[in-house]
This record gives sequence, C-alpha cells and structure tokens, in this order.
Amino acid sequence: EPEVTQTPSHQVTQMGQEVILRCVPISNHLYFYWYRQILGQKVEFLVSFYNNEISEKSEIFDDQFSVERPDGSNFTLKIRSTKLEDSAMYFCASSTANYEQYFGPGTRLTVT
Amino acid sequence: QQQVKQSPQSLIVQKGGISIINCAYENTAFDYFPWYQQFPGKGPALLIAIRPDVSEKKEGRFTISFNKSAKQFSLHIMDSQPGDSATYFCAARDNYGQNFVFGPGTRLSVLP
Repeated sequence: EPEVTQTPSHQVTQMGQEVILRCVPISNHLYFYWYRQILGQKVEFLVSFYNNEISEKSEIFDDQFSVERPDGSNFTLKIRSTKLEDSAMYFCASSTANYEQYFGPGTRLTVT
Repeated sequence: QQQVKQSPQSLIVQKGGISIINCAYENTAFDYFPWYQQFPGKGPALLIAIRPDVSEKKEGRFTISFNKSAKQFSLHIMDSQPGDSATYFCAARDNYGQNFVFGPGTRLSVLP
C-alpha cells in the first residue's frame, strides 16, 4: 500500500540554524500539506500546496518557513532560523482531490 | 470560528463497550469532517470521514453521526478493543481553502 514517507525521523539542531524536512508524498496525490504537533497537543495546520504553489497557510507559517517541491516526488519544509519553540513533530500529508489525507510518520525536530 | 471543539479529553472504556467522542464547530463553511487515530510516536491515520449531506456513515466498528443543524458530529466505536487505545482527533475542512482544523484530541484507553 502506498504511503507518505518522511526524512529524517529525528533532527536535532541549534537555535538559529536552518533545517530542511523532507517528504515523499503518495505518487498520484495532488495536494500536499505540512502540519506540526507540539508534544501532547493537537495537530496544527501549517501550509497546503497545490499545482506548485501555496494554496493556503496558517498564522504559524511566517517568513521563517518555506515549502518547495524541487522535483516530481519530494516536498520539503524549510525553517530558516530555528527557534526553541519550533521544537515539535512535523507531519507531511498528501491527498487526492477528495480530501482524504494520508499522513507520514513525522519528523521530530528538537531545537537546542 | 475556525475552532473545532472536542470532548471528552480522555475516555476509559471496558473491552466490548461503546466509545463515544463528540465534536462541535461554528464555521458553516466546513464541508468535510474526518476522524484520525494516532498511536504514540506515529502520524495520524485517517479512520473515517463524512460530508454534511449525510447524517451517518458506518465502516466496520466505526460510525460517524452528523447533526448539521446542531453543528455537531461524533465518533462511535462499537465493541471497543484494547488495540483501539489511541488518541482520536476530529477535524474539519473549510471549503474556501485547503485548511484543515483539528480538535484537541481524545485519549481513549480500552481496558482488557
């Protein structure tokens, strides 16, 4: 069964450093998303991406964040200058036009 | 208005019992209501979803009941099993965009 994959599973970085989180969505999906989940809290929407552009973003997704689909398979989230409060699980998801989202296993980002 | 409220925060059920989790929303532009199941250390997994043109959807032991006028929807897990122990999130999608809003989650424990 096709699945969303994410790398790395755990990323430790120092405050102020740039990180890139990588995702490979399900191949025939058209919509791509990033979410974050601070430990023990709810899942928060960051951004959605369709047709090679951002279709919607939340207030959390400020100028420090960017997304890219550099080739036909990868979907990346870049955080330019990480802060302590960026420590969270980051989930990538993809869906077809019927909105059924499938989530990846997540990347645990720890900012020290 | 973009909030989805969810209750209870935690739920303990005996094996074989019925687990019921409730969600409520205000935004009438929401047009798709999925439920996700999340095990510790894993990404949310789509369990079942409903659109507002139906009042109930059943898949195996899982049923969504939807009350459009009350702006409420609930998940019923029949014959609950210890393997169902997880955190459950309701969510809603705004039909004006690609933004999914998640409820705060319900931690379900099914006792053997």
